[in-house]
Amino acid sequence: DQQVKQNSPSLSVQEGRISILNCDYTNSMFDYFLWYKKYPAEGPTFLISISSIKDKNEDGRFTVFLNKSAKHLSLHIVPSQPGDSAVYFCGHNFNKFYFGSGTKLNVKP
Amino acid sequence: GAVVSQHPSRVICKSGTSVKIECRSLDFQATTMFWYRQFPKQSLMLMATSNEGSKATYEQGVEKDKFLINHASLTLSTLTVTSAHPEDSSFYICSARDPTKIDTQYFGPGTRLTVL
Repeated sequence: DQQVKQNSPSLSVQEGRISILNCDYTNSMFDYFLWYKKYPAEGPTFLISISSIKDKNEDGRFTVFLNKSAKHLSLHIVPSQPGDSAVYFCGHNFNKFYFGSGTKLNVKP
Repeated sequence: GAVVSQHPSRVICKSGTSVKIECRSLDFQATTMFWYRQFPKQSLMLMATSNEGSKATYEQGVEKDKFLINHASLTLSTLTVTSAHPEDSSFYICSARDPTKIDTQYFGPGTRLTVL
């Protein structure tokens, strides 16, 4: 039962442009979401989180938006840099942490 | 940030042998640790939740007798893959929850297991 879904397996963006990664969830009880970034053969690293009491959280170039009515969250990276190329996972932390399937971002120089 | 280590980073073993992977939280005490595995080009799949001083909780479909988890101290959890077979070859990642920061998990660098 995939409670968190990332429907885009990959995304390619030009350097300097905006990257938008999307995530949908099924359970309206989920109230805390996190984004992780993962390079090949490494463990994920925490990127940014958002609580359901907010609809936006910003940290430098990274902004996460939460639309509770649509059960949708998105991660915006502006401006995108080649070093951002990685796999991005969204997840919820409802007792345990479950990841979405990930979106591979490729930022072209 | 908090650091979680895993050892070994890479292991190659023969089919039928057992392999132990260690996960350590280096600068905080983790009452809860998690074990994940990732197949190539697939998502991280939660295998089990390791609780210090008690039995691990396994996700549906994960064989507890094959993947033995021990959380003997607040800084160490081990995953033993018993009687490993080639289909167990995968990337295993642990994470630890800092109890002072409930909603964040810190991940280890992962262990690449190859079973010949």
